[in-house]
Amino acid sequence: EVQLVQSGAEVKKPGESLKISCKGSGYSFTSYWIGWVRQMPGKGLEWMGIIYTDDSDARLSPFFQGQVTISVDKSINTAYLQWSSLKTSDTAMYYCARQGITTAGGLDYWGQGTLVTVSS
Amino acid sequence: DIQMTQSPSSVSASVGDRVTITCRASQGVGSWLVWYQQKPGKAPNLLIYAASNLQRGVPSRFSGSGSGTDFTLTISSLQPEDSATYYCQQANSFTFGPGTKVDIK
Repeated sequence: EVQLVQSGAEVKKPGESLKISCKGSGYSFTSYWIGWVRQMPGKGLEWMGIIYTDDSDARLSPFFQGQVTISVDKSINTAYLQWSSLKTSDTAMYYCARQGITTAGGLDYWGQGTLVTVSS
Repeated sequence: DIQMTQSPSSVSASVGDRVTITCRASQGVGSWLVWYQQKPGKAPNLLIYAASNLQRGVPSRFSGSGSGTDFTLTISSLQPEDSATYYCQQANSFTFGPGTKVDIK
């Protein structure tokens, strides 16, 4: 069974750093791209970026460039999203998702989401 | 940058009704268009890929059509469990539409 399991909810202060994770199982991890999606409270889905898990080729949305880093450790089938200095506006649910091979770019499996709360 | 718009922003319909949601791209995207369903508190779920292909396990009452700049998602006979927000996404730039909330009357 294909699964993406994300790390747990985080509460942080502005200026702190954070790295959240997304562990894939039940499929050949390095054959797929993993994307990250932000959903601010009560709002829609926002595309953040995507990374190829075999060679760490990462592509960030222009809006998020310089704001976050995406990475992968293929030895443990895990992708990461990290911030060096959080802002209160980073408060959101963050989803990882696998880009399917047969779904013409569609994201066919999603993690359960990681809620990040940034507050002083 | 490709911009995606959706209409309506919300719709309320009765069980059994036919519901149509429109997604428009700011420039031609061929058939590189995906639809997702998101229920409250849950991750999105892939419904349709390549504009008109039904993802495995998705009920056949869902269908997609269109190419170029104009796309539609149709629910042929609305069911109570279809109450959700629906998003289109351009599958090359990954840009999402703003979403359409579907409620049951």
